Amino acid sequence: NAGVMQNPRHLVRRRGQEARLRCSPMKGHSHVYWYRQLPEEGLKFMVYLQKENIIDESGMPKERFSAEFPKEGPSILRIQQVVRGDSAAYFCASSDQRISSGNTIYFGEGSWLTVV
Amino acid sequence: DQQVKQNSPSLSVQEGRISILNCDYTNSMFDYFLWYKKYPAEGPTFLISISSIKDKNEDGRFTVFLNKSAKHLSLHIVPSQPGDSAVYFCAASAQNNDMRFGAGTRLTVKP
Repeated sequence: NAGVMQNPRHLVRRRGQEARLRCSPMKGHSHVYWYRQLPEEGLKFMVYLQKENIIDESGMPKERFSAEFPKEGPSILRIQQVVRGDSAAYFCASSDQRISSGNTIYFGEGSWLTVV
Repeated sequence: DQQVKQNSPSLSVQEGRISILNCDYTNSMFDYFLWYKKYPAEGPTFLISISSIKDKNEDGRFTVFLNKSAKHLSLHIVPSQPGDSAVYFCAASAQNNDMRFGAGTRLTVKP
Protein backbone atom coordinates (compact mmCIF):
# COMPACT_ATOMS: atom_id res chain seq x y z
CA ASN A 1 0.00 0.00 0.00
CA ALA A 2 1.74 3.11 -1.22
CA GLY A 3 -0.79 5.50 0.28
CA VAL A 4 -0.62 7.69 3.35
CA MET A 5 -0.78 5.43 6.39
CA GLN A 6 -2.18 6.58 9.69
CA ASN A 7 -2.41 4.71 12.95
CA PRO A 8 -4.14 4.06 15.10
CA ARG A 9 -7.42 4.38 13.23
CA HIS A 10 -9.31 4.71 16.48
CA LEU A 11 -7.98 5.81 19.83
CA VAL A 12 -9.81 6.23 23.12
CA ARG A 13 -8.19 8.22 25.88
CA ARG A 14 -9.33 9.38 29.31
CA ARG A 15 -9.13 13.05 30.13
CA GLY A 16 -5.61 13.98 31.13
CA GLN A 17 -3.90 11.20 29.19
CA GLU A 18 -1.67 11.62 26.19
CA ALA A 19 -2.59 10.77 22.61
CA ARG A 20 -0.04 10.00 19.92
CA LEU A 21 -1.09 9.79 16.31
CA ARG A 22 1.29 8.53 13.66
CA CYS A 23 1.48 9.20 9.97
CA SER A 24 3.68 7.66 7.31
CA PRO A 25 3.55 9.69 4.11
CA MET A 26 3.28 8.27 0.65
CA LYS A 27 6.50 6.85 -0.71
CA GLY A 28 8.65 9.64 -2.05
CA HIS A 29 6.78 12.36 -0.18
CA SER A 30 8.67 14.52 2.26
CA HIS A 31 5.96 17.06 3.09
CA VAL A 32 3.38 16.21 5.75
CA TYR A 33 0.29 18.12 6.81
CA TRP A 34 -2.05 17.51 9.73
CA TYR A 35 -5.69 18.53 9.65
CA ARG A 36 -8.40 18.17 12.25
CA GLN A 37 -12.07 17.68 11.63
CA LEU A 38 -14.35 18.36 14.56
CA PRO A 39 -17.84 16.83 14.48
CA GLU A 40 -20.02 18.53 11.86
CA GLU A 41 -17.19 20.83 10.82
CA GLY A 42 -14.75 21.07 7.94
CA LEU A 43 -11.05 20.31 7.78
CA LYS A 44 -8.92 22.71 9.80
CA PHE A 45 -5.24 23.05 9.03
CA MET A 46 -3.00 22.38 12.00
CA VAL A 47 0.62 22.02 10.97
CA TYR A 48 2.90 21.53 7.99
CA LEU A 49 6.20 19.70 8.39
CA GLN A 50 9.11 18.59 6.33
CA LYS A 51 11.70 16.14 7.52
CA GLU A 52 13.07 17.44 10.83
CA ASN A 53 11.43 20.84 10.34
CA ILE A 54 8.18 22.48 11.28
CA ILE A 55 7.37 24.83 8.42
CA ASP A 56 4.00 26.23 9.49
CA GLU A 57 2.24 25.55 12.78
CA SER A 58 -0.17 28.45 12.60
CA GLY A 59 -3.15 26.13 13.05
CA MET A 60 -1.86 24.32 16.12
CA PRO A 61 -3.35 25.14 19.51
CA LYS A 62 -0.73 26.94 21.56
CA GLU A 63 -0.74 24.43 24.39
CA ARG A 64 -0.72 20.64 24.69
CA PHE A 65 -0.29 20.00 20.95
CA SER A 66 3.00 19.25 19.25
CA ALA A 67 4.12 17.64 16.03
CA GLU A 68 7.32 16.23 14.67
CA PHE A 69 8.58 14.57 11.53
CA PRO A 70 11.92 12.97 12.33
CA LYS A 71 14.56 12.04 9.83
CA GLU A 72 13.60 8.41 10.25
CA GLY A 73 10.12 7.16 10.99
CA PRO A 74 6.62 8.56 10.80
CA SER A 75 5.33 11.98 11.65
CA ILE A 76 3.83 12.15 15.13
CA LEU A 77 1.03 14.40 16.34
CA ARG A 78 1.09 14.47 20.12
CA ILE A 79 -1.68 15.76 22.33
CA GLN A 80 -0.90 16.01 26.02
CA GLN A 81 -3.48 16.07 28.81
CA VAL A 82 -6.35 15.48 26.43
CA VAL A 83 -9.74 17.08 27.05
CA ARG A 84 -13.15 16.17 25.66
CA GLY A 85 -12.90 18.97 23.10
CA ASP A 86 -9.94 17.18 21.49
CA SER A 87 -12.27 14.43 20.30
CA ALA A 88 -12.10 14.65 16.54
CA ALA A 89 -10.84 13.01 13.39
CA TYR A 90 -7.21 13.83 12.68
CA PHE A 91 -6.13 13.54 9.08
CA CYS A 92 -2.63 13.45 7.77
CA ALA A 93 -1.79 14.35 4.20
CA SER A 94 1.43 14.30 2.21
CA SER A 95 2.87 15.71 -0.96
CA ASP A 96 6.12 15.50 -2.86
CA GLN A 97 6.46 19.26 -3.03
CA ARG A 98 5.51 22.23 -0.97
CA ILE A 99 1.93 23.27 -1.61
CA SER A 100 1.78 25.74 -4.45
CA SER A 101 0.05 25.99 -7.77
CA GLY A 102 -0.53 22.64 -9.28
CA ASN A 103 0.29 20.50 -6.30
CA THR A 104 -2.12 18.10 -4.71
CA ILE A 105 -1.97 16.63 -1.25
CA TYR A 106 -3.09 13.09 -0.55
CA PHE A 107 -4.83 12.11 2.64
CA GLY A 108 -4.66 9.12 4.90
CA GLU A 109 -7.70 7.35 6.28
CA GLY A 110 -7.66 9.39 9.46
CA SER A 111 -7.33 8.72 13.17
CA TRP A 112 -10.45 9.10 15.29
CA LEU A 113 -9.68 10.27 18.80
CA THR A 114 -12.35 9.92 21.46
CA VAL A 115 -11.73 11.41 24.87
CA VAL A 116 -13.88 9.97 27.64
CA ASP B 1 -10.70 33.22 9.56
CA GLN B 2 -12.71 31.29 6.98
CA GLN B 3 -11.00 31.96 3.70
CA VAL B 4 -12.87 29.21 1.88
CA LYS B 5 -16.62 28.96 2.32
CA GLN B 6 -19.14 26.38 1.33
CA ASN B 7 -22.43 27.92 2.32
CA SER B 8 -24.62 24.92 1.61
CA PRO B 9 -24.11 22.22 4.23
CA SER B 10 -26.21 19.75 2.25
CA LEU B 11 -27.62 19.10 -1.19
CA SER B 12 -30.04 16.44 -2.38
CA VAL B 13 -30.55 15.56 -6.04
CA GLN B 14 -32.24 12.83 -8.02
CA GLU B 15 -30.16 10.20 -9.76
CA GLY B 16 -29.39 11.22 -13.33
CA ARG B 17 -29.77 14.95 -12.66
CA ILE B 18 -27.03 17.54 -12.27
CA SER B 19 -25.42 18.24 -8.91
CA ILE B 20 -23.92 21.70 -8.45
CA LEU B 21 -21.74 22.35 -5.44
CA ASN B 22 -20.59 25.88 -4.76
CA CYS B 23 -17.58 27.39 -3.08
CA ASP B 24 -16.50 30.98 -2.40
CA TYR B 25 -13.13 32.27 -1.31
CA THR B 26 -11.88 35.56 0.02
CA ASN B 27 -8.11 35.42 -0.45
CA SER B 28 -7.19 36.82 -3.86
CA MET B 29 -3.78 35.16 -3.56
CA PHE B 30 -5.31 31.70 -4.02
CA ASP B 31 -4.36 30.39 -7.43
CA TYR B 32 -5.08 26.69 -7.28
CA PHE B 33 -8.36 25.11 -6.34
CA LEU B 34 -9.30 21.52 -5.62
CA TRP B 35 -12.30 19.41 -4.79
CA TYR B 36 -12.04 16.44 -2.46
CA LYS B 37 -14.67 13.80 -1.82
CA LYS B 38 -15.06 12.12 1.53
CA TYR B 39 -17.00 9.05 2.55
CA PRO B 40 -17.81 8.43 6.23
CA ALA B 41 -14.92 7.04 8.26
CA GLU B 42 -12.49 7.53 5.37
CA GLY B 43 -9.98 10.16 4.42
CA PRO B 44 -10.71 12.77 1.75
CA THR B 45 -9.79 11.70 -1.77
CA PHE B 46 -8.73 14.09 -4.48
CA LEU B 47 -11.36 14.55 -7.18
CA ILE B 48 -10.50 17.39 -9.55
CA SER B 49 -8.56 20.63 -9.58
CA ILE B 50 -8.25 23.87 -11.50
CA SER B 51 -5.56 26.47 -11.85
CA SER B 52 -6.42 30.15 -11.78
CA ILE B 53 -5.27 30.51 -15.38
CA LYS B 54 -8.25 28.44 -16.46
CA ASP B 55 -11.97 28.90 -16.00
CA LYS B 56 -13.04 25.32 -16.60
CA ASN B 57 -11.65 21.84 -16.13
CA GLU B 58 -13.48 18.67 -17.03
CA ASP B 59 -12.88 15.06 -16.06
CA GLY B 60 -15.59 12.65 -17.08
CA ARG B 61 -18.78 13.44 -15.22
CA PHE B 62 -17.05 16.11 -13.13
CA THR B 63 -16.48 19.70 -14.23
CA VAL B 64 -15.09 22.51 -12.13
CA PHE B 65 -15.79 26.12 -13.07
CA LEU B 66 -13.81 29.06 -11.75
CA ASN B 67 -14.98 32.68 -11.74
CA LYS B 68 -12.01 34.67 -10.49
CA SER B 69 -13.72 38.04 -10.51
CA ALA B 70 -16.45 36.66 -8.25
CA LYS B 71 -14.01 34.52 -6.26
CA HIS B 72 -16.33 31.62 -6.83
CA LEU B 73 -15.96 28.08 -8.03
CA SER B 74 -18.40 25.29 -8.56
CA LEU B 75 -18.34 21.56 -9.11
CA HIS B 76 -20.83 20.06 -11.54
CA ILE B 77 -21.58 16.35 -11.53
CA VAL B 78 -23.54 15.11 -14.52
CA PRO B 79 -25.25 12.71 -14.40
CA SER B 80 -25.35 12.23 -10.65
CA GLN B 81 -25.16 8.68 -9.34
CA PRO B 82 -26.02 7.23 -5.91
CA GLY B 83 -22.34 6.41 -5.44
CA ASP B 84 -21.59 10.13 -5.60
CA SER B 85 -23.27 10.56 -2.21
CA ALA B 86 -20.52 11.90 0.02
CA VAL B 87 -19.20 15.08 1.59
CA TYR B 88 -17.44 17.32 -0.90
CA PHE B 89 -14.74 19.71 0.29
CA CYS B 90 -13.54 22.67 -1.68
CA ALA B 91 -9.89 23.62 -1.12
CA ALA B 92 -7.65 26.48 -2.21
CA SER B 93 -3.96 27.13 -2.06
CA ALA B 94 -1.53 29.92 -2.82
CA GLN B 95 2.19 29.97 -3.54
CA ASN B 96 4.13 28.63 -0.59
CA ASN B 97 1.06 28.35 1.54
CA ASP B 98 -0.96 25.67 3.18
CA MET B 99 -4.17 24.41 1.71
CA ARG B 100 -7.41 25.82 3.14
CA PHE B 101 -10.60 23.83 3.13
CA GLY B 102 -14.26 24.73 3.22
CA ALA B 103 -16.66 23.20 5.72
CA GLY B 104 -17.95 20.71 3.16
CA THR B 105 -21.27 20.01 1.47
CA ARG B 106 -23.03 16.71 2.02
CA LEU B 107 -24.40 15.48 -1.30
CA THR B 108 -27.16 12.89 -1.33
CA VAL B 109 -28.12 11.37 -4.66
CA LYS B 110 -31.47 9.61 -4.46
CA PRO B 111 -32.16 6.61 -6.70
